[in-house]
Amino acid sequence: QSALTQPASVSGSPGQSITISCTGTSSDVGSYNLVSWYQQHLGKAPKVMIYDGSKRPSGVSNRFSGSKSGNTASLTISGLQAEDEADYYCCSYAGSNWVFGGGTKLTVL
Amino acid sequence: EVQLVESGGGLFQPGGSLRLSCVGSGFTFSSYWMHWVRQAPGMGLVWVSRINTDGTYTGYADSVKGRFTISRDNAKNTLYLQVNSLRAEDTAMYYCARDLSGTIDNWGQGTLVTVSS
Repeated sequence: QSALTQPASVSGSPGQSITISCTGTSSDVGSYNLVSWYQQHLGKAPKVMIYDGSKRPSGVSNRFSGSKSGNTASLTISGLQAEDEADYYCCSYAGSNWVFGGGTKLTVL
Repeated sequence: EVQLVESGGGLFQPGGSLRLSCVGSGFTFSSYWMHWVRQAPGMGLVWVSRINTDGTYTGYADSVKGRFTISRDNAKNTLYLQVNSLRAEDTAMYYCARDLSGTIDNWGQGTLVTVSS
């Protein structure tokens, strides 16, 4: 049950696009289309931004998109806004349990 | 509106026990699998446990097996987490969350557990 691998930090300027990667194994990300992405602002509960790899819940901006290739999932945020500054976590079903990534701190410059 | 409200956190001594509760509202509680996820101060999210709709199927992270027990009372719309033999490393915010077809979708605000002598 090793954590999924995410970069510790990414940054971008307002209006730019950034991508956060999430690398797992053939036992989790590579085997199931059940990858989700969460946004967590300081002191708040996580909020789901992407589920099933690429689907957006209602109410989530279409600036957020997800994809997957092999054992790696990705979250792309386009048209960066100041409010996007937060921690982002990926999560994957892994057969009988779930595993999270270590988290990525997004800084909007 | 889906609401999940956790309670039961506080300051506990090493070796002690506690029971966390989570009351769900705004949805048919008995129809959903539920999870517990924890987050140590300044650290990332860690999946802890999940339970199926009628409580007959449970699962745990390796790190908590044997000490944590998840359960539910659908008549009370309540999810529980029993934690025994508390350790300092159990100090964390504990979130309950709903499962929607394999996705952890709605989260509570969390309850903080601190283990210290």
